[in-house]
Amino acid sequence: AQSVTQPDIHITVSEGASLELRCNYSYGATPYLFWYVQSPGQGLQLLLKYFSGDTLVQGIKGFEAEFKRSQSSFNLRKPSVHWSDAAEYFCAATLNDYKLSFGAGTTVTVRA
Amino acid sequence: GAGVSQSPSNKVTEKGKDVELRCDPISGHTALYWYRQSLGQGLEFLIYFQGNSAPDKSGLPSDRFSAERTGGSVSTLTIQRTQQEDSAVYLCASSPPGQGLGETQYFGPGTRLLVL
Repeated sequence: AQSVTQPDIHITVSEGASLELRCNYSYGATPYLFWYVQSPGQGLQLLLKYFSGDTLVQGIKGFEAEFKRSQSSFNLRKPSVHWSDAAEYFCAATLNDYKLSFGAGTTVTVRA
Repeated sequence: GAGVSQSPSNKVTEKGKDVELRCDPISGHTALYWYRQSLGQGLEFLIYFQGNSAPDKSGLPSDRFSAERTGGSVSTLTIQRTQQEDSAVYLCASSPPGQGLGETQYFGPGTRLLVL
């Protein structure tokens, strides 16, 4: 079955430290891949997306993600976290053009 | 410009009552999507509209759920005879016309539904 897995439910990171959020997908072919962020009481905001080509994708707010076909992974990274990055992060995938399948989400807490 | 808006932002209802949730997509966006976000199930796709047509209703949990879209714009998600398990945040998203290949979906803030 097609699925998206985010192994980490909760991550705590110090302000200024680096952040990496893991995402694995299980599809018969390489899907389109997305990372969204959701702040409390807000909708989902797209950080970045991967369709094809370069395996390192740059997004907004200083985030980047690396696509690794051999590992079926699409991990999100940020070199230096700010307190405003505290939120819930969702990895999503689709093989067609509309139905997104989401991972369970990773909640990021930033400590001073 | 204006983003996707949803109303009401919060809705509390009694079990067995009907509720209507509204979504106003971004102007000019032809595709519209409904998702449900609940503690037990995470984020689930419900239905997709292209214009006023719904080519994919496969995510609607039961026949108590229905949705329509009029004028290629506003959409209403209706839940009849609500049950406690319907309690969730209902998210609407829209996307612009394009090649149809993974167009970015822009999400609204959601409607938080609580069924007592």
